[in-house]
Amino acid sequence: KNEVEQSPQNLTAQEGEFITINCSYSVGISALHWLQQHPGGGIVSLFMLSSGKKKHGRLIATINIQEKHSSLHITASHPRDSAVYICAVRFCPGTASKLTFGTGTRLQVTL
Amino acid sequence: GAVVSQHPSWVICKSGTSVKIECRSLDFQATTMFWYRQFPKQSLMLMATSNEGSKATYEQGVEKDKFLINHASLTLSTLTVTSAHPEDSSFYICSARGNRDGKYNEQFFGPGTRLTVL
Repeated sequence: KNEVEQSPQNLTAQEGEFITINCSYSVGISALHWLQQHPGGGIVSLFMLSSGKKKHGRLIATINIQEKHSSLHITASHPRDSAVYICAVRFCPGTASKLTFGTGTRLQVTL
Repeated sequence: GAVVSQHPSWVICKSGTSVKIECRSLDFQATTMFWYRQFPKQSLMLMATSNEGSKATYEQGVEKDKFLINHASLTLSTLTVTSAHPEDSSFYICSARGNRDGKYNEQFFGPGTRLTVL
């Protein structure tokens, strides 16, 4: 069964802390997305990865294909980072398959 | 900036009316568009997938006559909720996939449309 698991489900951090959110999946993938959803509902695509590491500002995403695992890191966290972070994968055989979503990690960053 | 837009961002309508939601890819051609709905505190649920110029493929349990999807061009798809009822109240999100900035087949999400049916 194609599954995506995220941990933790909920995370509270103080401003400035380094944050890691994890995503594990069950079988081979062609792509993995990290998405951010703010309380208002809108979704922002943060990263699409198929290998290695990507960085954008304070956000870093890594993926280990052999271990079937990806992490999203937030450095110097800020209250405006408070949101739900969602991992979504496209399982092989390829680009035609639809995305499977994790249940999300709810992050709250306090002052 | 945003690469996928949706309009309207929210809508309130009376039961029995039809509501049309537009989804546009702003600076790339979307060969495939996806429509999702999301209930509070739940994950996105795929409703249908549409390719430009062809009929949409609906997920199991999604009524095609209830949720009409038109993907008439490479930058525009519309979802029409026909004869809306209160149970159709939800957050509808579109997503577009295509080639942008040299990135192949990347998928981008719209900001969503909150539908409330009274």
